[in-house]
Amino acid sequence: SAVISQKPSRDICQRGTSLTIQCQVDSQVTMMFWYRQQPGQSLTLIATANQGSEATYESGFVIDKFPISRPNLTFSTLTVSNMSPEDSSIYLCSVQLATSYEQYFGPGTRLTVT
Amino acid sequence: DQQVKQNSPSLSVQEGRISILNCDYTNSMFDYFLWYKKYPAEGPTFLISISSIKDKNEDGRFTVFLNKSAKHLSLHIVPSQPGDSAVYFCAASAPAGAGSYQLTFGKGTKLSVIP
Repeated sequence: SAVISQKPSRDICQRGTSLTIQCQVDSQVTMMFWYRQQPGQSLTLIATANQGSEATYESGFVIDKFPISRPNLTFSTLTVSNMSPEDSSIYLCSVQLATSYEQYFGPGTRLTVT
Repeated sequence: DQQVKQNSPSLSVQEGRISILNCDYTNSMFDYFLWYKKYPAEGPTFLISISSIKDKNEDGRFTVFLNKSAKHLSLHIVPSQPGDSAVYFCAASAPAGAGSYQLTFGKGTKLSVIP
């Protein structure tokens, strides 16, 4: 498995501002992912964070709204830009180890936009 | 269209009895299935998985059953303990290219084990 930390654990932000969430893994991993969990909903994949190249976004998510950085194999950031109340969610990063199907998740960032 | 469905939002079980959580899927490309447990204010924790070539996988108190023809899987917890109270997510995996596997999650079932 892998140990994953996220910062901040929670934040309350004003409409129109941006928040950058950090994800740190205790070992080098190839595959890192960002998910969103809206209240009462399942986990939805936002994008795959690719090291050294642009992230791969899922349908309904765009780079201008959710820019992602992946400067190395242990770290990634997700920015939620120009926030609105609809962006209030839990944001989670996860990693997939090379030898398994399983993904391991960070503790999540609870974002509230007012 | 939800490809992974957990039709029971909640389930209450007496301590010591069996908990059965169900999950249905629609995509035949899914080849690996996983269950995650999530406590409040924590990320999901991997619990148990099963390959599409098997029909049963057991790990201690946890057993996952897969019925491919019915596109249905279930998680059995026996005996249930109060510490098992959490939200359980069913997830299905399909190849996404370049050696990665994309997970599709259900909405979760909140299990409450009553002492």
